[in-house]
Amino acid sequence: EAQVTQNPRYLITVTGKKLTVTCSQNMNHEYMSWYRQDPGLGLRQIYYSMNVEVTDKGDVPEGYKVSRKEKRNFPLILESPSPNQTSLYFCATMPGRAYEQYFGPGTRLTVT
Amino acid sequence: GDSVTQMEGPVTLSEEAFLTINCTYTATGYPSLFWYVQYPGEGLQLLLKATKADDKGSNKGFEATYRKETTSFHLEKGSVQVSDSAVYFCALMVDTSGTYKYIFGTGTRLKVLA
Repeated sequence: EAQVTQNPRYLITVTGKKLTVTCSQNMNHEYMSWYRQDPGLGLRQIYYSMNVEVTDKGDVPEGYKVSRKEKRNFPLILESPSPNQTSLYFCATMPGRAYEQYFGPGTRLTVT
Repeated sequence: GDSVTQMEGPVTLSEEAFLTINCTYTATGYPSLFWYVQYPGEGLQLLLKATKADDKGSNKGFEATYRKETTSFHLEKGSVQVSDSAVYFCALMVDTSGTYKYIFGTGTRLKVLA
């Protein structure tokens, strides 16, 4: 089954404790992206990757890091989380020029 | 800069009512336009899309037409069902020399009452 998986689905952590949210896809898509969803603000792009070893900033990259060492995985790293990073995070993939994005189920992060 | 504006919700309708959710955009170049739907507790999924002016996207009874002259992509459905209750996002994508920029609207929550 074609899918995008994220782990963990729910996470409560404390300020400053490094964390990683994993994203994995089994569809061989080149493009992967991370978004955060906040009430009244919709989805905002954090980082995206056009292919392995190619990443670029989205609209709200501050406080986040990513890496793309292999095609299927695109982890999101919060080196020193802060309460303003409390949000719902989505990973998405896209098969080249088809333009349709496939979303993971989301990770709800709470930073206290 | 590029942007998407969609009507604020929530929108509350009775079953079998007509639905319109407005979406307008600002973009350089020639964007592709999308409607995504998010059911409670799930990620977004594509509802329909249109890649050039005057294209009509349709799926599950929903329709939207790419209107370049009014920079709009309004979502319509003739008769909504309770199962259509969800959050709907309008989005655009611009392909600039192989770099894809995707922008979402803020979402419109639809609640359909039986």
